[in-house]
Amino acid sequence: EDQVTQSPEALRLQEGESSSLNCSYTVSGLRGLFWYRQDPGKGPEFLFTLYSAGEEKEKERLKATLTKKESFLHITAPKPEDSATYLCAVRGTTDSWGKLQFGAGTQVVVTP
Amino acid sequence: SAVISQKPSRDICQRGTSLTIQCQVDSQVTMMFWYRQQPGQSLTLIATANQGSEATYESGFVIDKFPISRPNLTFSTLTVSNMSPEDSSIYLCSVEVQGASYEQYFGPGTRLTVT
Repeated sequence: EDQVTQSPEALRLQEGESSSLNCSYTVSGLRGLFWYRQDPGKGPEFLFTLYSAGEEKEKERLKATLTKKESFLHITAPKPEDSATYLCAVRGTTDSWGKLQFGAGTQVVVTP
Repeated sequence: SAVISQKPSRDICQRGTSLTIQCQVDSQVTMMFWYRQQPGQSLTLIATANQGSEATYESGFVIDKFPISRPNLTFSTLTVSNMSPEDSSIYLCSVEVQGASYEQYFGPGTRLTVT
């Protein structure tokens, strides 16, 4: 069964203090690894999809990277508006159609 | 991407009653999904709803408890039946947009509290 572990559970950053979130995964054949942002009381907002080791994607202050066992979400010079829970999910080749296996998330708080 | 709306946004229900949640998408999609997010936890897939066929349920979820309808390519409903306090969760629908390489987009969620 697919497994996704995110660390740390929570992260408190000063504005401008760069950091990285980790997503370790076990999957039997990776169709895709997905990063989402979730604000309190809202549905997850899609950020990135990564398909193969070595792939990188960027969006504003966020950069996602992928290896065969883990993915990192780097937050560069964060601002208070980057405060959210960041979710990682994987889809494997043996998963029932469309199933995403989510990690527990990393709650990020950025203080001014 | 896709714009997804859900109704109601939140509700407080009594034990033993049922609630039907609606999910509307702004474009035609083949695959729609229903997830549950229990307090302080991550998302768990309940079922996949494809138009013209019966929903496919994940282990631990059954049709009698969570009946799903998918009458067309832009709409689906999830009913939470005979509710108990353990059903208090956020229920989310998502869609997979064709040509978007497995990416799923989520609705805003329905926050359900069962008393």
